Amino acid sequence: DTEVTQTPKHLVMGMTNKKSLKCEQHMGHRAMYWYKQKAKKPPELMFVYSYEKLSINESVPSRFSPECPNSSLLNLHLHALQPEDSALYLCASSQDRGVYGYTFGSGTRLTVV
Amino acid sequence: LAKTTQPISMDSYEGQEVNITCSHNNIATNDYITWYQQFPSQGPRFIIQGYKTKVTNEVASLFIPADRKSSTLSLPRVSLSDTAVYYCLSGDGGNNRKLIWGLGTSLAVNP
Repeated sequence: DTEVTQTPKHLVMGMTNKKSLKCEQHMGHRAMYWYKQKAKKPPELMFVYSYEKLSINESVPSRFSPECPNSSLLNLHLHALQPEDSALYLCASSQDRGVYGYTFGSGTRLTVV
Repeated sequence: LAKTTQPISMDSYEGQEVNITCSHNNIATNDYITWYQQFPSQGPRFIIQGYKTKVTNEVASLFIPADRKSSTLSLPRVSLSDTAVYYCLSGDGGNNRKLIWGLGTSLAVNP
């Protein structure tokens, strides 16, 4: 298995909703990442997990809450989002931090209404 | 932080070789150069990575001169399916080992 699987592919949520994005990989990678991508922009790093521990938080607002239940799973919990948070949310993994051949999932297209 | 600069867009025709150059004047000694390809509404896909001289794989070649202040991604004999955005990345040169993304080059391959 050489894929990163993200669910759901599309999500529409209201500003008072709570939802979660899920990411799964079975390549034995020990680093996992959340990125946010706006249209016609490069991906922006949000969080990095290394060996299931949060190692980088790029000053992301607390309405985004990451969780790494085990070495194969990564969640992003969403609460009280704003319309400007609408974007493509990408999960990626790599063998280790500093190994730059990331494998990305197809992303979750999030729309906040 | 290391920063990469690349052309915003390029046009080509099927069967041609395409070279996309990226400048990274402040690249740190321990940074690699990495290129990704991205199609609309999909995640980026790793293409190639190098440190210096030339690296080649089944998809592309990467040329990095001795001063490492620039790099060139070479796509041989492009097809319509190579129409995508190509990102040049370098490391941040620090202990965080983060990737610094360029703004991307939108390549259009025409018939």
